[in-house]
Amino acid sequence: QLQLQESGPGLLKPSETLSLTCTVSGVSISSSSYYWGWIRQPPGKGLEWIGSIYYSGSTYYNPSLKSRVTISVDTSKNQFSLKMNSVTAADTAVYYCARHDNYGGNSEAFFDYWGQGTLVTVSS
Amino acid sequence: QSVLTQPPSVSGAPGQRVTISCTGSSSTIGAGYGVHWYQQLPGTAPKLLIYGNTNRPSGVPDRFSGSRSGTSASLAITGLQAEDEADYYCQSYDSSLSGWVFGGGTKLTVL
Repeated sequence: QLQLQESGPGLLKPSETLSLTCTVSGVSISSSSYYWGWIRQPPGKGLEWIGSIYYSGSTYYNPSLKSRVTISVDTSKNQFSLKMNSVTAADTAVYYCARHDNYGGNSEAFFDYWGQGTLVTVSS
Repeated sequence: QSVLTQPPSVSGAPGQRVTISCTGSSSTIGAGYGVHWYQQLPGTAPKLLIYGNTNRPSGVPDRFSGSRSGTSASLAITGLQAEDEADYYCQSYDSSLSGWVFGGGTKLTVL
């Protein structure tokens, strides 16, 4: 059974770097036709796609966050990671990792499995 | 402000039918890109409800259905139940961003 689990610090100070890891179990992260993505949700607000990565290292980023975000993959550990630098209070959110089904191509891609999410709070 | 526009809230009585709209543009839904729907129960992660405009993943009741026309899409829920009370999000691809976008979400209240 496919499961995703986010891990990382829950409290950061402004200007620090957010680092989260998603551990995937039940399937190889090297499976073809699947990207692996990060989505966030500020408290009481909607969902925002951050970026996605293929096992080969190919990435897509939300243009509004691209300058601060790096997503990487470690196939040996079946994990992928998110780094976001220079965080502010506006980055306070629940961060989800998810499998990004890209079988039909980018225009048809959707998120079919999600982690439970982890709350990251940015506060001085 | 989301690229895909949804009504903030909808409501209905048990047993009724409700619809949630998702309006995009020529660079999203209007370009023929797939629309997908997620259900988020309070305090939980989103769950895929409809993919590829009309398809239900295994385990999703057939009370849920999706459609797409022009630059808009809709999620319909028939035979409304108390357990359907949740937030619902649409999602598609945006060629102007070369990325994926979500609607702002719709809170469904079962009266």
